[in-house]
Order: sequence, then structure tokens, then C-alpha cells
Amino acid sequence: AQSVTQPDIHITVSEGASLELRCNYSYGATPYLFWYVQSPGQGLQLLLKYFSGDTLVQGIKGFEAEFKRSQSSFNLRKPSVHWSDAAEYFCAVGEADTGFQKLVFGTGTRLLVSP
Amino acid sequence: DTAVSQTPKYLVTQMGNDKSIKCEQNLGHDTMYWYKQDSKKFLKIMFSYNNKELIINETVPNRFSPKSPDKAHLNLHINSLELGDSAVYFCASSPRGRVAGELFFGEGSRLTVL
Repeated sequence: AQSVTQPDIHITVSEGASLELRCNYSYGATPYLFWYVQSPGQGLQLLLKYFSGDTLVQGIKGFEAEFKRSQSSFNLRKPSVHWSDAAEYFCAVGEADTGFQKLVFGTGTRLLVSP
Repeated sequence: DTAVSQTPKYLVTQMGNDKSIKCEQNLGHDTMYWYKQDSKKFLKIMFSYNNKELIINETVPNRFSPKSPDKAHLNLHINSLELGDSAVYFCASSPRGRVAGELFFGEGSRLTVL
């Protein structure tokens, strides 16, 4: 079965500094990979997704992620963090063999932004 | 208009009671889901329905019974509530397909069992 590991439970970044959130997955075939963000008291919003093609994908709010098959990773990056980016970030892998979208989520990384 | 809406947003109840959470989506999607987020923020799929048909049931206790009266609605009924059922329950929807794209989530329903 597929799984997702987000090794960092919390990360604190200064406003304006760069950010990288780590995600490693375990899946036999080519994975469908996603990053979601959850603001306090809110549902999850998709930041970006990778299905195939270019391994560097751009998302909303200035985020990008790079798929590295050799490392089974899909790390999320942002060059300059804003205070409004403070939230919980979830990496997920999609199981598509059934033809339906079933996402397996990582345990999340809480991003704190310091002034 | 809210794309995926859940009611109620908060629910506090006693052990042993029965409660329901309702979900509606106006995106025209065929597939809807219930996810459970525990106190450690871990999200796990519970059920998925495609056009009113159950397609995913992730070994959830029988006390949980989803119902989909039409493809725009997916309700979750929970019988004999237990302390461990306390969590945030998220409804989501997606278009059907092998490359189905993203899930659209509701804002969640926080259930507290006392």
C-alpha cells in the first residue's frame, strides 16, 4: 500500500525567508502527488499537483514542488514566505488504479512564520 | 456560493447518542468522500461514493453509515457515539476519472463526544 511521510512536524521560518517542506512517498507505480494547505478552522485547499510531465510544478500562492523519482520525494518550496502562509501543509499520494481518486495523506507539517 | 458545504460545523454530544452530518456539493462532481481528521491532524479516508454508489469503504465500524440520496449529497450518520469518534469530519468531492484531479473539501464538522 502507498504511504506518505512528512518528516517535519513543525517548521519555523522568518518572514521573507525561503521555505522547503519535505515529502517522501511509497508507491509502486508512477504516483499522483498533491500538496494541500489547511488554514486554522478551514478545509483543505489544493496548492499544486503532479501527474506526469515536467517534474517541477507550479502552484498557487507562489508555491512550487519538484518530483524526484530517484528519491521518492515531492518537496514543496517557496522563495519568500509571507505571514499569511502560516498553516498546516499536507502532502498526499493518489491511488489511481481503481479509476477513482483515493488520497493517502501524510501527517502534515505545521508552518510557523516569525516576524 | 460555497462549493462543498457541511452542516453542522460543530457538534457536541454525549456518548451513546446518534448524530448525522450533512454534505452538499454544487460542483457537479460525480464522486464524494468522507475523511476523518484526528486530534493529531491525520487525515484518513472513510468512504467514497460515485453517483450514489459506494466505491470505497475503509474498514470503518458499522456504526458509521453513509447515505447518498443523489450525487450532490453525501450524509454521514453515526450510531452509538464513542469517545474515539471525536474528530473533524471532512466531506470532499472530485470529478470521476483515472486522472481525477483534486479533491474539493468542505470546511469540516468538528464532532466532540463527551
